[in-house]
Amino acid sequence: SQTIHQWPATLVQPVGSPLSLECTVEGTSNPNLYWYRQAAGRGLQLLFYSVGIGQISSEVPQNLSASRPQDRQFILSSKKLLLSDSGFYLCAWGRGDTEAFFGQGTRLTVV
Amino acid sequence: DQQVKQNSPSLSVQEGRISILNCDYTNSMFDYFLWYKKYPAEGPTFLISISSIKDKNEDGRFTVFLNKSAKHLSLHIVPSQPGDSAVYFCAASAEGTYKYIFGTGTRLKVLA
Repeated sequence: SQTIHQWPATLVQPVGSPLSLECTVEGTSNPNLYWYRQAAGRGLQLLFYSVGIGQISSEVPQNLSASRPQDRQFILSSKKLLLSDSGFYLCAWGRGDTEAFFGQGTRLTVV
Repeated sequence: DQQVKQNSPSLSVQEGRISILNCDYTNSMFDYFLWYKKYPAEGPTFLISISSIKDKNEDGRFTVFLNKSAKHLSLHIVPSQPGDSAVYFCAASAEGTYKYIFGTGTRLKVLA
């Protein structure tokens, strides 16, 4: 069966520090991978998605970037965090025409 | 530009009664719709989906209705249980785009 792992679960980082959140998927190959952010009153906002290694599409201009160095690994990064980057970040995998499956999320607080 | 909208941020329902959660969309290219349930500090879990070739899909206590002409879908939960209390998100995707676009969510509270 397929599983998705996302870590860390919580993170407190100072403004201006770098960020790296990692997500890995097991039990499937060539999944579509997604990063979402849940912010108060904003629902689940799609940040990035990837349909293959090295292929990243950005949905929202921002202070973040994503990379997919391996088929089942998706990384969300920032060189310098802003206060506005605080939120609940979710990684997901899917096929586009069936349901997507989410990780447990990372609560990021930028202080 | 919110392509998927859930205009009710919250809903309270008595245990045993029906919960109806609504969702509207603007993009006529959407052809697959999903509902997710989310508890605090957890990832959303998939509940039920419907493709645009259908107008109804049922799974146990959950039924999703799709009205393509109105660009509207709804999730019915019957009977509602206290464990159903959570935030519910609807989502949509269009063939070939690979993206799932989510609404802002509706917080359901089922009162015992």
